[in-house]
Amino acid sequence: DTAVSQTPKYLVTQMGNDKSIKCEQNLGHDTMYWYKQDSKKFLKIMFSYNNKELIINETVPNRFSPKSPDKAHLNLHINSLELGDSAVYFCASSQVWTAGGSEQYFGPGTRLTVT
Amino acid sequence: GNSVTQMEGPVTLSEEAFLTINCTYTATGYPSLFWYVQYPGEGLQLLLKATKADDKGSNKGFEATYRKETTSFHLEKGSVQVSDSAVYFCALREKKAGTALIFGKGTTLSVSS
Repeated sequence: DTAVSQTPKYLVTQMGNDKSIKCEQNLGHDTMYWYKQDSKKFLKIMFSYNNKELIINETVPNRFSPKSPDKAHLNLHINSLELGDSAVYFCASSQVWTAGGSEQYFGPGTRLTVT
Repeated sequence: GNSVTQMEGPVTLSEEAFLTINCTYTATGYPSLFWYVQYPGEGLQLLLKATKADDKGSNKGFEATYRKETTSFHLEKGSVQVSDSAVYFCALREKKAGTALIFGKGTTLSVSS
């Protein structure tokens, strides 16, 4: 069973378009995240939701809007795509806090290419 | 703010060589520490973790010890294999609700036979 899944795996689109990436987790976690990995492999948090409530909102352009319809889903919508948005986007989930160290489970990533 | 610094790569080794990837951190309090691995074309997988000082995380022959005095969490393996070729990320997370992982820049390991 896939724990954290993302669709699509690859997304190629033109500048100015609007696109969405979907994420679902079947681990029963109550916190979900979006990370961006740039061309140099650097990973940085974008957003975090806990029980459908936005907790972390890093300095991300407001063209990016996360939406969490329920605890198991966190989607990322991007308006007016720019060349600089090209990256790999990872969804992750975790329990808010466990004695074991709150590890996060990552999806396979969505490679977004803006032309 | 919190941060993670890991050695620049790439690291190139022959099979069965000893591996060390250095990682140091800056944090308020005592975060949990993690090593994640990313194989080519794949997502991140948790390799090992440690949640308090002197804890040793281990998995698949890899080990790392949480050193509070040196704020370090170096990754080691006694004998690497070609299949260990990947990008390795050191990360920390504060022990607070809703916090995210803070990653180092990643170290690419290439093992040749």
